[in-house]
Amino acid sequence: KNQVEQSPQSLIILEGKNCTLQCNYTVSPFSNLRWYKQDTGRGPVSLTIMTFSENTKSNGRYTATLDADTKQSSLHITASQLSDSASYICVVPRVLAGNMLTFGGGTRLMVKP
Amino acid sequence: DTGVSQDPRHKITKRGQNVTFRCDPISEHNRLYWYRQTLGQGPEFLTYFQNEAQLEKSRLLSDRFSAERPKGSFSTLEIQRTEQGDSAMYLCASSQGLADPTDTQYFGPGTRLTVL
Repeated sequence: KNQVEQSPQSLIILEGKNCTLQCNYTVSPFSNLRWYKQDTGRGPVSLTIMTFSENTKSNGRYTATLDADTKQSSLHITASQLSDSASYICVVPRVLAGNMLTFGGGTRLMVKP
Repeated sequence: DTGVSQDPRHKITKRGQNVTFRCDPISEHNRLYWYRQTLGQGPEFLTYFQNEAQLEKSRLLSDRFSAERPKGSFSTLEIQRTEQGDSAMYLCASSQGLADPTDTQYFGPGTRLTVL
């Protein structure tokens, strides 16, 4: 079954600390994986997209990794800021289903001062 | 602002009433998607349009739900005889509709529906 699982479900860290969010997927065949940030009451915003051949991609303080062999991805946030408080959603398109997106349940991150 | 817009942002209605939401995609985006998101969950696909053609509908889209995109630009999502279980955030997204799997969907701010 094509699924995307994320952990942890929620996370609380202090401002300035680093954190890592995990994503495991079973979607096959695999083309790419996206990380979205969703502020409360807003729509998701794309942070990064990683294709099969990419292992690491950075976007400012966000660094995503991908291991296509183990079907795992992580999103590392460095020097967290209060504005990083949001849900982070891992998304994988189903290539055999018109690239319909399969969403993980998200990790709810809260950064405290 | 050239992003995806949705209207209204919030809607409170009584059970049994009909509601209609509107989505304006990014200009010249061929594909338009509707999703539903409940608290603490990721979005769930409802339906999508390629221009004015509705190409796929999820089994989540019961007979009470209907979506249109009459001129291939804005879209409406109507829910008839609303139920409390319909309470959710309804998200709209649009994309260029490239055959490339990296075709990116851009999301609107959502419409928060509360059914009393």
